[in-house]
Amino acid sequence: QITLRESGPTLVKPTQTLTLTCTFSGFSLSTSGLGVGWIRQPPGKALEWLALIYWDDDKRYSPSLRNRLTITKDTSKNQVVLTMTNMDPVDTATYHCVHRQTNNWFDPWGQGTLVTVSS
Amino acid sequence: DIQMTQSPSSVSASVGDRVTITCRASQGISSWLAWYQQKPGKAPKLLIYTASSLQSGVPSRFSGSGSGTDFTLTISSLQPEDFATYFCQQSNSFPYTFGQGTKLDIK
Repeated sequence: QITLRESGPTLVKPTQTLTLTCTFSGFSLSTSGLGVGWIRQPPGKALEWLALIYWDDDKRYSPSLRNRLTITKDTSKNQVVLTMTNMDPVDTATYHCVHRQTNNWFDPWGQGTLVTVSS
Repeated sequence: DIQMTQSPSSVSASVGDRVTITCRASQGISSWLAWYQQKPGKAPKLLIYTASSLQSGVPSRFSGSGSGTDFTLTISSLQPEDFATYFCQQSNSFPYTFGQGTKLDIK
């Protein structure tokens, strides 16, 4: 059974850097074709894809956030870390990490962590 | 970016009804489309991938169709547990994008 769990701060101040960790089990990110991504959802709004890291360390980012995001993996710890710089109140959202299947689709998702940006 | 437009944004229906939700892409995405179900306070759950393939464990009353720019999700006979919000998502090209969601509630 594949599970993912997000961890990190629930409150950050504007201009600070957010660091979120996704800890997963049930698969290895060294397995060909797999990946882990991050998707966020502002309260009451639509989902927004942020970043994706593949088993071979290839990375993809949302162009609108590319200069603020970094995604890395630690295969030995079964973790993926997302950092987002220069946080703003509009970045307030629930952040989900997701398992990218070999067939390109996201399943399952982590429960998500609500991050509020406020001074 | 490819824009995904869902309609309707909300729909009211009764148990046993047949419901169809549509998703339109701003450009052709072949069959690179998925549908997710999200219940309040929960993570989205994959229902349909590659436009019409049913994810393992998902009831057969859910079905998807379409290709190119126009897609549909159909629930053949609504069950109480189906009242939720549904999102479409394209993975034809980066950045992956989602529809704005369709909220399905009880009439």
